Amino acid sequence: RKEVEQDPGPFNVPEGATVAFNCTYSNSASQSFFWYRQDCRKEPKLLMSVYSSGNEDGRFTAQLNRASQYISLLIRDSKLSDSATYLCVALGYGQNFVFGPGTRLSVLP
Amino acid sequence: SQTIHQWPATLVQPVGSPLSLECTVEGTSNPNLYWYRQAAGRGLQLLFYSVGIGQISSEVPQNLSASRPQDRQFILSSKKLLLSDSGFYLCAWSAGGYEQFFGPGTRLTVL
Repeated sequence: RKEVEQDPGPFNVPEGATVAFNCTYSNSASQSFFWYRQDCRKEPKLLMSVYSSGNEDGRFTAQLNRASQYISLLIRDSKLSDSATYLCVALGYGQNFVFGPGTRLSVLP
Repeated sequence: SQTIHQWPATLVQPVGSPLSLECTVEGTSNPNLYWYRQAAGRGLQLLFYSVGIGQISSEVPQNLSASRPQDRQFILSSKKLLLSDSGFYLCAWSAGGYEQFFGPGTRLTVL
């Protein structure tokens, strides 16, 4: 089983829709979690950090469920500019960041 | 503010040639540094990380090596490139247990 798993998608949604991605992790010792977005042929950029049960930043909400070992990302009122690949990351001991394979989102006009 | 630089941005090299990619960080001290590779259409693969000068941990055995000659400099090298070394190489830094920030990356094509 991979340490961090994500549905690769693609998720094709219309503008204005609400979309949610889930990410599961296998290492129960993971301390912190992050969501990054990666545009085509660009470096990943930090979207949100999730240190406790959740975090909200504008249209983006991340939630952490330690009992079930999953993190979710909710995007409300999708914009065309939200089209990207979203990477889920778990940080375990020893500064080891483990990236999921990413979920591709396409927001359609 | 912190800035991370990588060069070159793109590189085309023949099989069997050497490689040297450089990464430098500005605006922070004693960062944790990381090298990742991303093959086309794939996820990020951690290659090396370093928590201090001269301290390198290797995650995947291969024909690549890394060095950290200075606090904010991280170098990825190879003596002989393979076709399978093609990919997008990303350097990242973190302040120990917090978010990682990535450089712009080097796109390497081995022919």
